Amino acid sequence: AQKITQTQPGMFVQEKEAVTLDCTYDTSDQSYGLFWYKQPSSGEMIFLIYQGSYDEQNATEGRYSLNFQKARKSANLVISASQLGDSAMYFCAMREGTHKVFGAGTILRVKS
Amino acid sequence: NAGVTQTPKFRILKIGQSMTLQCAQDMNHNYMYWYRQDPGMGLKLIYYSVGAGITDKGEVPNGYNVSRSTTEDFPLRLELAAPSQTSVYFCASRALRESGNTIYFGEGSWLTVV
Repeated sequence: AQKITQTQPGMFVQEKEAVTLDCTYDTSDQSYGLFWYKQPSSGEMIFLIYQGSYDEQNATEGRYSLNFQKARKSANLVISASQLGDSAMYFCAMREGTHKVFGAGTILRVKS
Repeated sequence: NAGVTQTPKFRILKIGQSMTLQCAQDMNHNYMYWYRQDPGMGLKLIYYSVGAGITDKGEVPNGYNVSRSTTEDFPLRLELAAPSQTSVYFCASRALRESGNTIYFGEGSWLTVV
């Protein structure tokens, strides 16, 4: 069974608008962590934001925020005020025990 | 800080050849990982290690081997390269006690098997 599901293979957003990238997860653990990474065309993986399962508030990092809905097992990434440089592949990941599992990714394209 | 260093960055192999992807980290991290990323796809875990001398299989270990003789190094070995191993390989590491944002990735190694 898929541990991390990203249902949007690709998304378009107009520059300066907000966009939400979906992520749902499946785990029976009580303690887990959720992550979002950005992978630009150059290939490196860039950490964006983290949410712990016991964190009561949604994580925010600058223009990134994580809409954490524990009961629904979703951890959507919200990017506000999109910029052209936000065009990249975005991966949702979950820490399970000693390692992370990754979703298939969502390609985001920001239009000018 | 050098962080996680992978070599080589690009390599073309012939079917049946062997090679080792090197990975080194200078952050004294206990956990190290090897992922592969196929075109347009997400990351899949090949092998991981929780410390020197300890390695374990991930999701897609077939065709690969690893070793962890030191904390710093975690090489990935391809014994008989196959076209299905054409991929981008990422090495990563993190500290034992993870605050949530301490996983570090290398820059990736692009491998083509022809």
